Amino acid sequence: EIVLTQSPGTLSLSPGERATLSCRASQRLPVNYLAWYQQRPGQAPRLLIYGAASRATGIPDRFSGSGSGAYFTLTIRRVEPEDFAVYFCHHYDASPTFGQGTKLEIK
Amino acid sequence: QVQLVQSGAEVKKPGSSVKVSCKAYGGIFSRNAIAWVRQAPGQGVEWMGGVVPVYGTPQYAERFQGRVTITADKSTDTVYLELRSLTTDDTAVYYCSRVGDEYVVWSYFEYWGQGTLVAVSS
Repeated sequence: EIVLTQSPGTLSLSPGERATLSCRASQRLPVNYLAWYQQRPGQAPRLLIYGAASRATGIPDRFSGSGSGAYFTLTIRRVEPEDFAVYFCHHYDASPTFGQGTKLEIK
Repeated sequence: QVQLVQSGAEVKKPGSSVKVSCKAYGGIFSRNAIAWVRQAPGQGVEWMGGVVPVYGTPQYAERFQGRVTITADKSTDTVYLELRSLTTDDTAVYYCSRVGDEYVVWSYFEYWGQGTLVAVSS
């Protein structure tokens, strides 16, 4: 089973700043089956990125994904007030696993 | 637009079973897998299993094998999750999700249900 480790655990930023969230896999992913989700309190997760870098339908272009192998990044170019939430990564090959999440909080 | 609507919250005793439903609206039901994940309070997300309705044969996470059953009813566009021998560790919000790729169980989760809280307590 592939373990996904996200960092940092908590990221404190002000609106307008750039957010960089990391997801490291315990072994190299042969295919970029890596997705990112946003989860606000009390809500279901929302798909942001799939295939490591493809934005889901309706997701603003300030969100971008990158990476390959064992290292992946979610970037929010300029954080908006509604972006403060928990973000987690997901490896969706056989035996899917999820990262423990990064909380993006207002500084 | 695809919408997944789950059944309501449940309170169960240890040792009992729970069955949660997930009804799909919009889209073509049979082609895309419906998966079940759960999220315990303050914890991460855990994949439990999934099924492509047109095939009908579910895939389960190894740790739930023998304790979980996922079934798809194509006549009502509904997928069910049954979890047996409940313990307090099963207290969580259970989500169904429709995956993005057709005809495969393992894919990204494109659409989500609203979640169903299952609380297990004596």
